Amino acid sequence: DGGITQSPKYLFRKEGQNVTLSCEQNLNHDAMYWYRQDPGQGLRLIYYSQIVNDFQKGDIAEGYSVSREKKESFPLTVTSAQKNPTAFYLCASSVSQAGTDTQYFGPGTRLTVL
Amino acid sequence: GDSVTQMEGPVTLSEEAFLTINCTYTATGYPSLFWYVQYPGEGLQLLLKATKADDKGSNKGFEATYRKETTSFHLEKGSVQVSDSAVYFCALRDDKIIFGKGTRLHILP
Repeated sequence: DGGITQSPKYLFRKEGQNVTLSCEQNLNHDAMYWYRQDPGQGLRLIYYSQIVNDFQKGDIAEGYSVSREKKESFPLTVTSAQKNPTAFYLCASSVSQAGTDTQYFGPGTRLTVL
Repeated sequence: GDSVTQMEGPVTLSEEAFLTINCTYTATGYPSLFWYVQYPGEGLQLLLKATKADDKGSNKGFEATYRKETTSFHLEKGSVQVSDSAVYFCALRDDKIIFGKGTRLHILP
């Protein structure tokens, strides 16, 4: 089955620690995205990548970092610089960045900072 | 800049009622429009989309028509079921995708 996987589903971290969220897709999509979802605020774009070894900041990139060493993988690191990291994180992919292309989403990772 | 505005929830209906969730947008270009659905604890799933004016997207009994003259993309369903309870997101995509804040729908048996 083709799709997007995110792991783990739930993640707990102590304040001051970095943590990496996994996102893998086997859809052969070029573009991948990370969003943050907070109650009542919809989705906000953190980072996106249109091609391997290239990525761009989204609207709320501060305190986050990404890498895109393989087409299938787009891990997100939440650093200790992120002031309010507790949220639901969603990864998505699309064939390209074209306006008509549908984004497909993974099941999400809920991060809680203790 | 581009934006999406959708009606605030929660929306509570009885089973078999008619559903409308309003969505309006502002855009400088000619965006594609989408409705996504999110069930509890899950990611978003594409429900339907429309890529140009007067296009109608439909799926699972849901419909939405791309109305350029009113800059709207309202979601409708003639008879809702308890299993339709979820959060619904309207989105537009021009040079980037922009989501509305979501509308939570509760269907009572």
